[in-house]
Amino acid sequence: NAGVTQTPKFQVLKTGQSMTLQCAQDMNHEYMSWYRQDPGMGLRLIHYSVGAGITDQGEVPNGYNVSRSTTEDFPLRLLSAAPSQTSVYFCASSYRGASNTEAFFGQGTRLTVV
Amino acid sequence: ELKVEQNPLFLSMQEGKNYTIYCNYSTTSDRLYWYRQDPGKSLESLFVLLSNGAVKQEGRLMASLDTKARLSTLHITAAVHDLSATYFCASNFGNEKLTFGTGTRLTIIP
Repeated sequence: NAGVTQTPKFQVLKTGQSMTLQCAQDMNHEYMSWYRQDPGMGLRLIHYSVGAGITDQGEVPNGYNVSRSTTEDFPLRLLSAAPSQTSVYFCASSYRGASNTEAFFGQGTRLTVV
Repeated sequence: ELKVEQNPLFLSMQEGKNYTIYCNYSTTSDRLYWYRQDPGKSLESLFVLLSNGAVKQEGRLMASLDTKARLSTLHITAAVHDLSATYFCASNFGNEKLTFGTGTRLTIIP
């Protein structure tokens, strides 16, 4: 059981370049989300999805796009990378509504924008 | 505003000692989570606390929840070096979106 898989693990971009961070889960979870982790700030929610075809913004959505065409995949797109987007990105998934649900996290993508 | 505050932010403690990490949250929540993160790694789920008075224990870690005080604690008993990590609490505030505290970086000194 792979859980939540993120690719790539590391990426260096130049300012203005675009890229897509991939996230896939094999647990049939309805809920998926993207967080960024910056020193001293914990994890902050970028975008989330409650099911295929449904996405919404989190706390820090600017500069990022998402889509959810399947239950399994939830890619995060940076349209024009900026140095302020240098961060570690985590994808997470969970069941909806279960009383003891917990979020499972991918291994993270360390992104540097120069 | 949905806010989760942890303290302390940094904690150095000697092996064998006990200590507590505190997590306050700003409004009603039906779930409180504790995660552990090792340097350069992902987050590992430790506990999910669902109701007032909930207490869960795993090894030297014990978590509790007081919903009336909007407070959760993570108690470390007789610390060992392997517990060195960053610990996060998070609240869902009634939905699936998690709001995280800023984390407590715990260093256990021999």
